Amino acid sequence: NAGVIQTPRHKVTGKGQEATLWCEPISGHSAVFWYRQTIVQGLEFLTYFRNQAPIDDSGMPKERFSAQMPNQSHSTLKIQSTQPQDSAVYLCASSADYYAEQFFGPGTRLTVL
Amino acid sequence: AQSVTQPDARVTVSEGASLQLRCKYSSSVTPYLFWYVQYPRQGLQLLLKYYSGDPVVQGVNGFEAEFSKSNSSFHLRKASVHWSDSAVYFCALITGNTRKLIFGLGTTLQVQP
Repeated sequence: NAGVIQTPRHKVTGKGQEATLWCEPISGHSAVFWYRQTIVQGLEFLTYFRNQAPIDDSGMPKERFSAQMPNQSHSTLKIQSTQPQDSAVYLCASSADYYAEQFFGPGTRLTVL
Repeated sequence: AQSVTQPDARVTVSEGASLQLRCKYSSSVTPYLFWYVQYPRQGLQLLLKYYSGDPVVQGVNGFEAEFSKSNSSFHLRKASVHWSDSAVYFCALITGNTRKLIFGLGTTLQVQP
């Protein structure tokens, strides 16, 4: 069991560029979650999918952020026109079913210059 | 709205000493409660969880936590800390039908030799 895989581990973008972050959940897990971690705000929920369907995106910024789960083996978080305030560690987690504990990946550190 | 408060941003203890990290929650219903640990440049690892039943729950590496409904607390304890326990510890909750974790800001534990 390789755990939750996130790629890339580090990404540096220029202001206004697009960033796509990838997450591969643990095989067989039906739920995928995205969180953002910053020093100031701490850990914030962004969105989650269950059986590939979007369930709750209440934490997603209304503009520039989008997430997809095209198949059960990966999810993407896309940030268009990145801004310096988007700099954070983006964490992906998966769980085996609706009520199970969440297993976290190592995160992607996004730096927007 | 639900929330988690970890009143101690940083705790320093000597190796071999006992430890308590405090966690207070606010929720209109009894939540599911979790403690996660984050080592440098790694994702979150689950230490223990409380869903119901015995208010004292055992976790990995000798950690335990006690749920108190009357005090709205879920404090983490360890009888004897090791230098390798140095990390950031997060308390979190889930309530209702949502599966999103709500985190406290974390407590940085430093174990001195």
